[in-house]
Amino acid sequence: DIVMTQSPDSLAVSLGERATINCKSSQNILYNSNKKNYLAWYQQKPGQPPKLVISWASTRESGVPDRFSGSGSGTDFTLTISNLQAEDVAVYYCQQYYNTPFTFGPGTKVDIK
Amino acid sequence: QVQLVESGGGVVQPGRSLRLSCAASGFTFSSYGMHWVRQAPDKGLEWVAVIWFDESNRYYADSVKGRFTISRDNSKNTLYLQMDTLRAEDTAVYYCAAGEHSYGPAGWWGQGTLVTVSS
Repeated sequence: DIVMTQSPDSLAVSLGERATINCKSSQNILYNSNKKNYLAWYQQKPGQPPKLVISWASTRESGVPDRFSGSGSGTDFTLTISNLQAEDVAVYYCQQYYNTPFTFGPGTKVDIK
Repeated sequence: QVQLVESGGGVVQPGRSLRLSCAASGFTFSSYGMHWVRQAPDKGLEWVAVIWFDESNRYYADSVKGRFTISRDNSKNTLYLQMDTLRAEDTAVYYCAAGEHSYGPAGWWGQGTLVTVSS
């Protein structure tokens, strides 16, 4: 199974500042034939289901503010939230869908400092 | 608009069975892969199972393999999860989710249904 790790476990950022979350996969999740990284980022607010924010490592979903961006390739990935807003407080999970089981990372909690 | 509505959760004794349902609307259900994902109280997300749009493939997490069965009825726009030989560690909110690609992210999620396994 592909193991997903995230760092840090939690972080507190001032309003308007940048939050950076890292995700690492235990195996390469870049599919060579289509050059796509099989990685998603989800946002989960308290009491709500997860929401897909980034797919294919860097494709922002429709309606997601452009302060959210994803980067990385192969085994190392980053979710960046620029200009952090109060509504961005949530737990963020990465997930690989390169191979079943489609494993999630443990999550990173983002708070306001 | 897209809706995924889970049902069937509740309190069940260890060793017993439960079947969850997920009613889908607002999209072409028969064209989407469907997932079950669970979340134990105050824990992270755990992917449970996926079924291809045409039922040609089903895959499971090791933790539920041999005990849980995912299925779907495309004529009824409904996804199922048959859970047998339940254990205390299966206690969680169970979400159904839809993905456009067989190997792809889950773009739409239901609100979840709580399963509690306890004597």
